Amino acid sequence: NFILTQPHSVSASPGKTVTISCTRSSGSIASNYVQWYLQRPGSSPTTVIYENDQRSSGVPDRFSGSIDISSNSASLTISGLKTEDEADYYCHSYHGNTPAFGGGTKLTVL
Amino acid sequence: EVHLVESGGTLVKPGGSLRLSCAASGLSFSSHTMNWVRQAPGKGLEWVSSINSRSSYIIYADSVKGRFTISRDNAKNTLYLLMNSLRAEDTAVYYCVRDQPTRDFSTTYPASWGQGTLVTVST
Repeated sequence: NFILTQPHSVSASPGKTVTISCTRSSGSIASNYVQWYLQRPGSSPTTVIYENDQRSSGVPDRFSGSIDISSNSASLTISGLKTEDEADYYCHSYHGNTPAFGGGTKLTVL
Repeated sequence: EVHLVESGGTLVKPGGSLRLSCAASGLSFSSHTMNWVRQAPGKGLEWVSSINSRSSYIIYADSVKGRFTISRDNAKNTLYLLMNSLRAEDTAVYYCVRDQPTRDFSTTYPASWGQGTLVTVST
């Protein structure tokens, strides 16, 4: 098995840029696609990024995803922060055929 | 647009059993891998189980293996989760999630989520 580690929380001011990391504990980050999900309080998760860097339908281009082989991690970057971006964000990937989610990161837009 | 509606969540005693259902409408159900993902109160997302389109490939998280059974009825566009020997730590909102194939069709990823159904295991 493997673990996807995310920071517990991040914060930034409106208009700024924030990056949330997702570090894979074993196996290469490039061996399986990484997805990112957004969950607002009281709501179901929704897909933000799929296949490492593809924005889901309706997601603004302020959201971008990437992977970095050297750090064995994936990143979700949100630019031009808005108060509506405040939510929990989860990364997701596979080890072989077994899926796993990161522990989640609470984004606070101050 | 796919629409997933979970049902069956309720309060159940430890050691009890429960069956969750997920009714799908909209885009095709029968050709997609389906999943159950749960979220304990105030906690993160935890993958529970997956079943492919023909029910020929089924996997479970270690935390539920031997106690939970996933199944589907493609004629009824419905996904199920039979939960036995329930424990307090199974208390969670259970989400039904439909996979989407990747662009290169090498794999799939969770894409569409239902609204969830709450299972509470307590005396």
